Amino acid sequence: DTAVSQTPKYLVTQMGNDKSIKCEQNLGHDTMYWYKQDSKKFLKIMFSYNNKELIINETVPNRFSPKSPDKAHLNLHINSLELGDSAVYFCASSRGQGASEAFFGQGTRLTVV
Amino acid sequence: GEDVEQSLFLSVREGDSSVINCTYTDSSSTYLYWYKQEPGAGLQLLTYIFSNMDMKQDQRLTVLLNKKDKHLSLRIADTQTGDSAIYFCAEKRNAGNNRKLIWGLGTSLAVNP
Repeated sequence: DTAVSQTPKYLVTQMGNDKSIKCEQNLGHDTMYWYKQDSKKFLKIMFSYNNKELIINETVPNRFSPKSPDKAHLNLHINSLELGDSAVYFCASSRGQGASEAFFGQGTRLTVV
Repeated sequence: GEDVEQSLFLSVREGDSSVINCTYTDSSSTYLYWYKQEPGAGLQLLTYIFSNMDMKQDQRLTVLLNKKDKHLSLRIADTQTGDSAIYFCAEKRNAGNNRKLIWGLGTSLAVNP
């Protein structure tokens, strides 16, 4: 009954590989997000989707491609992984853009070796 | 996170009060938030304040907002070891037709027994 769930929780992969992280929310929210948290714990938004439509796309390399098959899912695909992509990636959702609370998943720790 | 500033570290003794400070830049921001991130976990909304309020109290938590100085603070009374976490300040800012959260860099609170 987890509200926002991400898989996998840990991901270790080699440079140059392509990987995906999945996110699902069962809260009926319209808006979903991907955040990146680096080793210093700095949190940066990457993407935001509202009703499957991309509304925020921060300066992120185009190796990162989000996909929202429906409003309950927002997956993140990363091509040609680089060492600097190592971080914790958080998925989040909220009732709408004006909603007061975002619910976060537990994070996916990506390590690129 | 460069427009929302927080000190990075705070250390207090158990039982003392903790005060975590935050400054933001957009005077038109409508909501200001405090999120808590415990080790290895996602972020959870701790409390928030609407911009037309000066103060909000919720059990051990007191949020003070000084709109003139664009200064937000979170006071935790009787700090416990379980309060050790990273505390993120965030402001909800209008971005064209959208709204987005602008995050501080987080304050790591260490509570010493």
